[in-house]
Amino acid sequence: DQQVKQNSPSLSVQEGRISILNCDYTNSMFDYFLWYKKYPAEGPTFLISISSIKDKNEDGRFTVFLNKSAKHLSLHIVPSQPGDSAVYFCAAEKTSYDKVIFGPGTSLSVIP
Amino acid sequence: DSGVTQTPKHLITATGQRVTLRCSPRSGDLSVYWYQQSLDQGLQFLIQYYNGEERAKGNILERFSAQQFPDLHSELNLSSLELGDSALYFCASSPTGGGYTFGSGTRLTVV
Repeated sequence: DQQVKQNSPSLSVQEGRISILNCDYTNSMFDYFLWYKKYPAEGPTFLISISSIKDKNEDGRFTVFLNKSAKHLSLHIVPSQPGDSAVYFCAAEKTSYDKVIFGPGTSLSVIP
Repeated sequence: DSGVTQTPKHLITATGQRVTLRCSPRSGDLSVYWYQQSLDQGLQFLIQYYNGEERAKGNILERFSAQQFPDLHSELNLSSLELGDSALYFCASSPTGGGYTFGSGTRLTVV
């Protein structure tokens, strides 16, 4: 039972354009959502997060949008840069429960 | 350097063998989490320890076990290894919950 889904295994975007990575979740008890970025041969690193009481959080080129009614969140990267090429994991947690559930990841390629 | 140290970085072993993966969390972090990433799979949660005690269990096989020691480092023991156990094993730590910091992983290859 996959509670966090990322239906696009891969995405290619031209440099300078917007990258939109999507994520869906099934458990309405999740109250905190995170995006992690992973380069080959490295562990995932935290990118940006959003609490369920918000619908948008912005950090530089990265913005996460949350639609609770649709149980959907998205990560926007604008403008996309070649260094953004990595695997992006969507993750969710119930803060009282402490455990983070990860999606399968989306591999982003930003083409120069 | 994330502050979470995993050793060894690479491990090649034969089927049926037993291995131990080690994780040293960031200084001050009490929680340690173990995740498995198989080919084309996301990060599958295995187990969490908090200050020496098991806090949560995920899809961890009975052949696998873990523990967290008084100095807060953790070990993941994998026994009776099968080819399908080949994967990246990540450790993460956090002060209490969320806000994970991951190590760079141990790549296990079972031949």
